[in-house]
Amino acid sequence: EVQLVQSGAEVKKPGESLKISCKGSGSSFTKYWIGWVRQMPGKGLEWMGNIYPGDSDTRYSPSFQGQVTMSVDKSISTAYLQWNTLKASDSATYYCVRKMVSSSSSAWYFDLWGRGTLVTVSS
Amino acid sequence: DIQMTQSPSSLSASVGDRVTITCRASQSINNYLNWYQQKPGKAPNLLISVASTLQSGVPSRFSGSGSGTDFTLTISSLQPEDFATYYCQQGYNSPWTFGQGTTVEIK
Repeated sequence: EVQLVQSGAEVKKPGESLKISCKGSGSSFTKYWIGWVRQMPGKGLEWMGNIYPGDSDTRYSPSFQGQVTMSVDKSISTAYLQWNTLKASDSATYYCVRKMVSSSSSAWYFDLWGRGTLVTVSS
Repeated sequence: DIQMTQSPSSLSASVGDRVTITCRASQSINNYLNWYQQKPGKAPNLLISVASTLQSGVPSRFSGSGSGTDFTLTISSLQPEDFATYYCQQGYNSPWTFGQGTTVEIK
């Protein structure tokens, strides 16, 4: 069974850096886009961007461009989400997701979700 | 960006009720609309893709319909395990956007 396994919860101070991970199981990791979705406490879902592990092609949502960096190490089937300077407003749960396209149309959807990584930024 | 608006934001219903949630897109998205269920403390789970395609393992009491700008998620007979928050998401254009969510609570 294909799974996305995310790294554990983090507690950081404002101004610190952070890199969280998402490891895919199975041999097909490089064939699908991997995305990140933010959920702030008590709020809805926001797509941040996605990366194609095969060639590291990365697309960011305009709302998150310049705020985070996505990367991948395909040799270990792992995607990363990184902050250089954390803010309190970065406190949220971050989900990695697999982005798929419908076989009958060009519709994109997120069919596989990690369990989420809770990031708490507080002084 | 395509804005997705769900209604209602929350609803109270009883086991066995028929429940309908609506999602409206700010422009036509063909049928490129997906529905997710999220239970407290858990990751969202894809229920329906491309407006009406039920994902494997999802009970048949869930159904989706619509095209263009207006879409509906229907639960034909609400079960205890269906109390959750439901999100629509457009898969037509990047940035991929979600509705604000509809919370289904126990009456």
